Amino acid sequence: GAVVSQHPSWVICKSGTSVKIECRSLDFQATTMFWYRQFPKQSLMLMATSNEGSKATYEQGVEKDKFLINHASLTLSTLTVTSAHPEDSSFYICSSRGGFQETQYFGPGTRLLVL
Amino acid sequence: AQSVTQPDIHITVSEGASLELRCNYSYGATPYLFWYVQSPGQGLQLLLKYFSGDTLVQGIKGFEAEFKRSQSSFNLRKPSVHWSDAAEYFCAVGPTSGTYKYIFGTGTRLKVLA
Repeated sequence: GAVVSQHPSWVICKSGTSVKIECRSLDFQATTMFWYRQFPKQSLMLMATSNEGSKATYEQGVEKDKFLINHASLTLSTLTVTSAHPEDSSFYICSSRGGFQETQYFGPGTRLLVL
Repeated sequence: AQSVTQPDIHITVSEGASLELRCNYSYGATPYLFWYVQSPGQGLQLLLKYFSGDTLVQGIKGFEAEFKRSQSSFNLRKPSVHWSDAAEYFCAVGPTSGTYKYIFGTGTRLKVLA
């Protein structure tokens, strides 16, 4: 089946630093990748949709300058949390879909803790 | 407005008992329908999906779901629950074209008693 990886799985950083999270589609070409944020015991909140080679589309209320998304290739998308603050601490999950697939395949998630 | 409702936040069942998790949706047209499972600290794993055709779909781990258009429902069932099924279950709907963005339900947390 479709496999999506995320790296790192855990990251702890100091307030004010930037953190980059990678999302890789391992066995298919991901024309679209999605980035979600999940708070404890809550559902997933879509942050942005990224298509390979074009700018990401951010959901309302998501700061595009804070959450930089780069979808540079058909297998890799990155989310950079810039100048992270404690309120950015969360579980970030990516998903990928390829070609005419309607199904999103999810990565294992990255837990970010900002001190 | 488009929405997905999972009315049960928590469900507790005994191991070996049957299970039904409810999902209702409000959408402009019949969407694609999905059930995902999330274990603690993990990503989401696809259990099953419905696009068209037979309204009873089979998934992995012995799960099945039935699409009922008249009720706008897509309930997940399993005849005999195993302790390893304890997890969070999310119902999602998505458009049949375009952005393929999902709308997720709020999730149902399943607890299994030994």
